[in-house]
Amino acid sequence: DGGITQSPKYLFRKEGQNVTLSCEQNLNHDAMYWYRQDPGQGLRLIYYSQIVNDFQKGDIAEGYSVSREKKESFPLTVTSAQKNPTAFYLCASSSSAGRAGTDTQYFGPGTRLTVL
Amino acid sequence: LAKTTQPISMDSYEGQEVNITCSHNNIATNDYITWYQQFPSQGPRFIIQGYKTKVTNEVASLFIPADRKSSTLSLPRVSLSDTAVYYCLVGALSGGYNKLIFGAGTRLAVHP
Repeated sequence: DGGITQSPKYLFRKEGQNVTLSCEQNLNHDAMYWYRQDPGQGLRLIYYSQIVNDFQKGDIAEGYSVSREKKESFPLTVTSAQKNPTAFYLCASSSSAGRAGTDTQYFGPGTRLTVL
Repeated sequence: LAKTTQPISMDSYEGQEVNITCSHNNIATNDYITWYQQFPSQGPRFIIQGYKTKVTNEVASLFIPADRKSSTLSLPRVSLSDTAVYYCLVGALSGGYNKLIFGAGTRLAVHP
């Protein structure tokens, strides 16, 4: 059963705490992405990775960190420096990281983070 | 990167055909047009992608005029389960990866 999994589905965090969101894919995709979605808004790119051990900042990377030690895993850490972390976080992956045209991004089910 | 403009919301009734138009005046030569569907508290799901003319799959059709400055997603005979947000995206390689810009999308409500 192939796809992208994110865990946990719901996450609660106290102010000042770091928290890590998990994203795993078994699609053998090269590229992985993290997005943030606020209520009634579209998705905004936080970080992306084209290949293992390499990642780039997206449009709203401040207060977030990532790692890409394995092809199938791309965890996102929301640090205490993120001023307004309450949001819906989505992970995605796509097969190509360098070919022309656009490749479909496949999304996980999301993690809803709430800061108490 | 080309921005897209689409209606904020649309209403329809079961069994009707729904057409959602997206404008992308600054589309580049190597840009593709992609549509995603998103249900509440779920990740977006790919619907259809095209470059020019018409593309059809089992769930939708995508019409792209010759100038490619707009595109229309057509959903035939919608049902209540088609109530969702639909995103039009235009993108291609930028800095070596697929950069997709999600706007607020079109919120489609299908009524009985």
